[in-house]
Amino acid sequence: DTAVSQTPKYLVTQMGNDKSIKCEQNLGHDTMYWYKQDSKKFLKIMFSYNNKELIINETVPNRFSPKSPDKAHLNLHINSLELGDSAVYFCASSQVPSRRETQYFGPGTRLLVL
Amino acid sequence: SQQGEEDPQALSIQEGENATMNCSYKTSINNLQWYRQNSGRGLVHLILIRSNEREKHSGRLRVTLDTSKKSSSLLITASRAADTASYFCATRGRNDYKLSFGAGTTVTVRA
Repeated sequence: DTAVSQTPKYLVTQMGNDKSIKCEQNLGHDTMYWYKQDSKKFLKIMFSYNNKELIINETVPNRFSPKSPDKAHLNLHINSLELGDSAVYFCASSQVPSRRETQYFGPGTRLLVL
Repeated sequence: SQQGEEDPQALSIQEGENATMNCSYKTSINNLQWYRQNSGRGLVHLILIRSNEREKHSGRLRVTLDTSKKSSSLLITASRAADTASYFCATRGRNDYKLSFGAGTTVTVRA
């Protein structure tokens, strides 16, 4: 049973295209996140939703738009892809606030923009 | 901005040896967490230590926290080849829901 799943695992696309990444968690958590991990492995929070409400929105270009149809899903849509968007994107979920507030990560989506 | 910074960036040890890595952070925290990332995989939570705790153990892992120095250390005892991974510290601020991660320490355990 996969706790946090992401699709696709790999995404290779041309500059200027629009693409979406999907995330689902079956842990019953209220909070979900999107992170970007660059080539130096630095992991940066992009967005977070709690019960379908946006609670964290870091300085991310408007080309990135998260959507949470329900609390088990958080998708990321990227418009007009640029070379600098190439990275690994991780979805995560947690139960916040809680004493068990660790985050559970998906396997990542490796995006390569050509 | 990046909150945690791990040191060293990379560590290579022989199987059976201990591995120690450090994390420094800048602002007051509610808790500090350590995660492991195997190559090509997502992060896996290892251990959480709260700001009022000084030391925690979990199996072969030992974490310390010194809030006066704004630093933490992760010790892996009796390392195994399977411990080869990148290790990240992450901090949660006092009035913050988000975790701020460092860039990690890459540990290689040689058989």
